[in-house]
Amino acid sequence: EPEVTQTPSHQVTQMGQEVILRCVPISNHLYFYWYRQILGQKVEFLVSFYNNEISEKSEIFDDQFSVERPDGSNFTLKIRSTKLEDSAMYFCASSDEAGAGETQYFGPGTRLLVL
Amino acid sequence: AQSVTQLGSHVSVSEGALVLLRCNYSSSVPPYLFWYVQYPNQGLQLLLKYTTGATLVKGINGFEAEFKKSETSFHLTKPSAHMSDAAEYFCAVTSSSNTGKLIFGQGTTLQVKP
Repeated sequence: EPEVTQTPSHQVTQMGQEVILRCVPISNHLYFYWYRQILGQKVEFLVSFYNNEISEKSEIFDDQFSVERPDGSNFTLKIRSTKLEDSAMYFCASSDEAGAGETQYFGPGTRLLVL
Repeated sequence: AQSVTQLGSHVSVSEGALVLLRCNYSSSVPPYLFWYVQYPNQGLQLLLKYTTGATLVKGINGFEAEFKKSETSFHLTKPSAHMSDAAEYFCAVTSSSNTGKLIFGQGTTLQVKP
């Protein structure tokens, strides 16, 4: 069964460093998402992406964050200068349709720790 | 704005007992509601969803949920718990935007005792 994959599974970085989190969505999916979950808190939406453009972003997704689909298979989340509060589990998701009611398929997540 | 509240961050049941995980939502537009499950070291997996039509929705692994508009609820149930059901469960609602942004509750950890 097709699945969303994410690398790395864990990443430790120093505050102020740049990190890139990678995701390979399901191959025929066209809509991509990033969510994050700070330990003990809710899963929060960060950004949605379609047709090489951001469709929607949350207030969390400030200028320090960017997303890119560099080729036909990868979808990346970059944090330019990490802060302690960026420590969280980051989930990538994809769907073959957009809009309310469509199923999003999630990857296993990348646990980011900023020291 | 939409929101989801899951009552009870931890629920413990005995194997074979009824599982009831509570979810209430707030939405000014007709909601689409989801339950996801997360097993250790895995991603979120869709259990079931309600979009339109029948308000009692059946999902995988014997779970079902009923959409009750009058109570703004979408509680998840399973008649008989199995040890393999131990996991974290998330209720979510879609936003009114076309991107399908999911708004999650805080999650409920289900413990199943032998």
